[in-house]
Amino acid sequence: NAGVTQTPKFQVLKTGQSMTLQCAQDMNHEYMSWYRQDPGMGLRLIHYSVGAGITDQGEVPNGYNVSRSTTEDFPLRLLSAAPSQTSVYFCASSYSGNEYFGAGTRLSVL
Amino acid sequence: DAKTTQPTSMDCAEGRAANLPCNHSTISGNEYVYWYRQIHSQGPQYIIHGLKNNETNEMASLIITEDRKSSTLILPHATLRDTAVYYCIVRVRTGNQFYFGTGTSLTVIP
Repeated sequence: NAGVTQTPKFQVLKTGQSMTLQCAQDMNHEYMSWYRQDPGMGLRLIHYSVGAGITDQGEVPNGYNVSRSTTEDFPLRLLSAAPSQTSVYFCASSYSGNEYFGAGTRLSVL
Repeated sequence: DAKTTQPTSMDCAEGRAANLPCNHSTISGNEYVYWYRQIHSQGPQYIIHGLKNNETNEMASLIITEDRKSSTLILPHATLRDTAVYYCIVRVRTGNQFYFGTGTSLTVIP
């Protein structure tokens, strides 16, 4: 039972490049979500999903897309990376209200 | 929306109880109080949650005031490994939107 797995752990992008952050969970949780954490700040919700085929926006959705084709996977796409998207990204899944977080992806946009 | 207020930082001597306060004066009747912690930029870790009764598990105790406007997380015998940022969050149990503030940075001192 791996829990919530995020890949890659580290990534450096150039401004304007696109990429997908992967998130997979093996706990059969319906709820999944993406957060970003900037230095010295708490986590801010980007997008979330209440089940396969259903997604919605959180606090800071601009510049990011998500889809949920399966229960297990919830990828986060950066359409055109900007330096303001330099951050640590956390994926989480939850059941009955308790969130389980992945180890994070540290992204730098130059 | 900042639904909770926590002190920015606290110190605690190793082996002593750490008492972390949280104010949530606008909490609704169906909102739970959750506590998470984040150790050195790892993914946040669930600690405990409660609605109106005091709760205890292997990690901590949660004391919620009778009017539910504030709560205290208690780590009964703090160790150096408890040094972390502690987040107090209020939310409905079935909702998926966690709103993290900046939390309390707890330093356990040898």
